[in-house]
Amino acid sequence: DQQVKQNSPSLSVQEGRISILNCDYTNSMFDYFLWYKKYPAEGPTFLISISSIKDKNEDGRFTVFLNKSAKHLSLHIVPSQPGDSAVYFCAASVLGSARQLTFGSGTQLTVLP
Amino acid sequence: GAGVSQTPSNKVTEKGKYVELRCDPISGHTALYWYRQSLGQGPEFLIYFQGTGAADDSGLPNDRFFAVRPEGSVSTLKIQRTERGDSAVYLCASSTQPGQGASTGELFFGEGSRLTVL
Repeated sequence: DQQVKQNSPSLSVQEGRISILNCDYTNSMFDYFLWYKKYPAEGPTFLISISSIKDKNEDGRFTVFLNKSAKHLSLHIVPSQPGDSAVYFCAASVLGSARQLTFGSGTQLTVLP
Repeated sequence: GAGVSQTPSNKVTEKGKYVELRCDPISGHTALYWYRQSLGQGPEFLIYFQGTGAADDSGLPNDRFFAVRPEGSVSTLKIQRTERGDSAVYLCASSTQPGQGASTGELFFGEGSRLTVL
């Protein structure tokens, strides 16, 4: 039973265009969401997060949108750069818990020069 | 170094053998996590330590898996009687105490230990 789902295993985008990565969750107890980026042979690195009291959080080129009623979040990267090519994991947790994260299966983003 | 350090980076072993994987968290981080990432999947939670004690071991798949953190810093994940299905990247992460600080959800991951059981 996958509580966090990333249905697109891969995405290719032209440099300079917008990348949109999607994530769905089923557990209504989740109230904190994160995106991690992972390069080959490295551990995941934190990118951006959002609390369920917000519907948008922005950090430079990265924006995360949360739609609680649809149990859906998305990560927008604009403009996309070749260095953004990596696997992106969506993760969710319950604030106030031990920050045990539940991860999606990841989306491989390739930004073409 | 300043980050989470994991050793070995790669471990190849035979079915039935015993394996230890080590994690050295970021200095001052009281919380330590072990995750397992199988091919094509996201990391799956195994166990969480707050200080020396295992606060949540609900993710350990069976009693062949055990982890310790005797002094509240370095942790060792121990796998007995390894099976081919144990092959995965084992990730360690650390963080400040849950509930404190602005970044309440951020875990800092190491590069992982890739275990291959033949």
